Amino acid sequence: ETTLTQSPSFMSATPGDKVNISCKASQDIDADLNWYQQKPGEAAILIIQAATSLVRGIPPRFSGSGYGTVFTLTINGIESEDAAFYFCLQHDNFPYTFGQGTTLEIK
Amino acid sequence: QLQLQESGSGLVKPSQTLSLTCGVSGGSISSGYYSWSWVRRPPGKGLEWLGYMFYSGSTYYNPSLNRRVTVSVDRSTNQFSLKMTSVTAADTAVYYCAREGPSVGGFDLWGRGTLVTVTS
Repeated sequence: ETTLTQSPSFMSATPGDKVNISCKASQDIDADLNWYQQKPGEAAILIIQAATSLVRGIPPRFSGSGYGTVFTLTINGIESEDAAFYFCLQHDNFPYTFGQGTTLEIK
Repeated sequence: QLQLQESGSGLVKPSQTLSLTCGVSGGSISSGYYSWSWVRRPPGKGLEWLGYMFYSGSTYYNPSLNRRVTVSVDRSTNQFSLKMTSVTAADTAVYYCAREGPSVGGFDLWGRGTLVTVTS
């Protein structure tokens, strides 16, 4: 089973900041990693697929990087609407596994 | 626009069976080569993938659930289901249904989730 170690678990940012969220896999998963955003009471939304591909309709301030075992979600120019829970998912092998998630607070 | 909505009993007694359904609206569960999953998040913990039905009808389950989970699809009612037997307090969680598409690895659509509490 692939363990995903996501950090930080909580972060606070000011509008306009650049933030990075890390997801590290316990084994090589190629680019089989997605990033999701979830707001309270809402369905999770796919924002980055295949490690680096921005999903249609997602603002370009979101970007993903990485391959193999180290991945990063970057939000460049945080906006207040970006306050949410973010998590990564590996779909390289079964069982699919998730990072523990990051709660992003906007000051 | 396709949407997923979980429903089912929010309270289950220990040792009993948890049953949830995921209704698919705005489209047919049979269209396209989609697969259907259940995921949960216990309070204060991370997400856990539970099980999966491929578009072909084959299934795969998380070994950590010790064969307590069954996922099935009912195309006549446009929904899919989760059954989990012999529940304990550790199964208390928000349960989500999710879809995986043929071209997007991982899940491209999620439900909002439903809280299930295991308590006597």
